[in-house]
Amino acid sequence: DAKTTQPNSMESNEEEPVHLPCNHSTISGTDYIHWYRQLPSQGPEYVIHGLTSNVNNRMASLAIAEDRKSSTLILHRATLRDAAVYYCILHGATNKLIFGTGTLLAVQP
Amino acid sequence: GAVVSQHPSRVICKSGTSVKIECRSLDFQATTMFWYRQFPKQSLMLMATSNEGSKATYEQGVEKDKFLINHASLTLSTLTVTSAHPEDSSFYICSFGGAGARTDTQYFGPGTRLTVL
Repeated sequence: DAKTTQPNSMESNEEEPVHLPCNHSTISGTDYIHWYRQLPSQGPEYVIHGLTSNVNNRMASLAIAEDRKSSTLILHRATLRDAAVYYCILHGATNKLIFGTGTLLAVQP
Repeated sequence: GAVVSQHPSRVICKSGTSVKIECRSLDFQATTMFWYRQFPKQSLMLMATSNEGSKATYEQGVEKDKFLINHASLTLSTLTVTSAHPEDSSFYICSFGGAGARTDTQYFGPGTRLTVL
């Protein structure tokens, strides 16, 4: 499965939007882009996924670059409960999720 | 999303004993499930993949005789850490997934923190 690159950490203020970037320059044409997040001392939870078009759900939005070599997870209004490690993962043919180091998001009140 | 439970949530054991961790999906049936472990301040590392009724496939470097996986049904899987040692102390997380479509999401359990003295 192709690799992803994310910043180690980011900081946001409460009730402000957060844009979490992810680079995946070696993505293949059939890989889906999945985002999961892990709150402290919990298992990860699914956030969103997409292929080519931008996606919205109740948790977040996913903006995918036209060349698919990067994507951005958007939290429209960060809350303290959004403080977590966010993982960008490419879901390919192997049915495995290979977790990278993710981005640790800190939200300041 | 789907609900996955793990039991126990926390276990402390003596070196040399075996520990069984149970993972259940409460509201759906899944063909495939996964076991991960996570050391402090590190990311999740996939240990093994299993399909109901068949043997698990272990990732490179994971000893199959030490980490026994029994995928008994579409809603239950167990991981047994045999002859546990302090280096096995970790956060163990299970997840249930689909049959392999790239759109399949995985549903994770809350994790089991194992401490081996």
